[in-house]
Amino acid sequence: AQSVSQHNHHVILSEAASLELGCNYSYGGTVNLFWYVQYPGQHLQLLLKYFSGDPLVKGIKGFEAEFIKSKFSFNLRKPSVQWSDTAEYFCAVNANTGFQKLVFGTGTRLLVSP
Amino acid sequence: DAGVTQSPTHLIKTRGQQVTLRCSPKSGHDTVSWYQQALGQGPQFIFQYYEEEERQRGNFPDRFSGHQFPNYSSELNVNALLLGDSALYLCASSLGGRPNTEAFFGQGTRLTVV
Repeated sequence: AQSVSQHNHHVILSEAASLELGCNYSYGGTVNLFWYVQYPGQHLQLLLKYFSGDPLVKGIKGFEAEFIKSKFSFNLRKPSVQWSDTAEYFCAVNANTGFQKLVFGTGTRLLVSP
Repeated sequence: DAGVTQSPTHLIKTRGQQVTLRCSPKSGHDTVSWYQQALGQGPQFIFQYYEEEERQRGNFPDRFSGHQFPNYSSELNVNALLLGDSALYLCASSLGGRPNTEAFFGQGTRLTVV
């Protein structure tokens, strides 16, 4: 069975600081990887996704993530955070076989202070 | 372009009662998946509907059932409610339900069981 670990449960940063949120998954086969964001009071939105190809993927709002297959990792990065990035971030994975069944991590709550 | 809509937004039920939650997928989508998000946790996959059939199910008891209508909208039913069923229930829609597609989420229904 697949599982996803997000190591940082709460992160507090000042504006302009750099961000890196860790995500590791366990699954032996080919996977599709996602980062979703949930702003306060809003629905889950896709930040970025990796299906295949270049392991460095760029998403919306200046976010990027790097898929490192040998480490089973898909860490999320942003060089300079803004107050508006305050939200909860979820890493998710699904096996690239069969049907779409997303397995989520427990989430990282990011607070950016102005 | 209408996104995924869910109703109701909030619901309070008593233990032992039954509840029905509703979801209309994003325009053009034919697949609906349901997730349960307990407080402080990531969403957990309940099941997926495609062509009016349940085609994959997570680790949830038979008290959780669903339905998909010809217009692709869906219902989630939970019987014999337990206190532990209190959670945010999320609906996600996609096209074809393939693993390498993006799932769009609704804002969820917050269910409280007392």
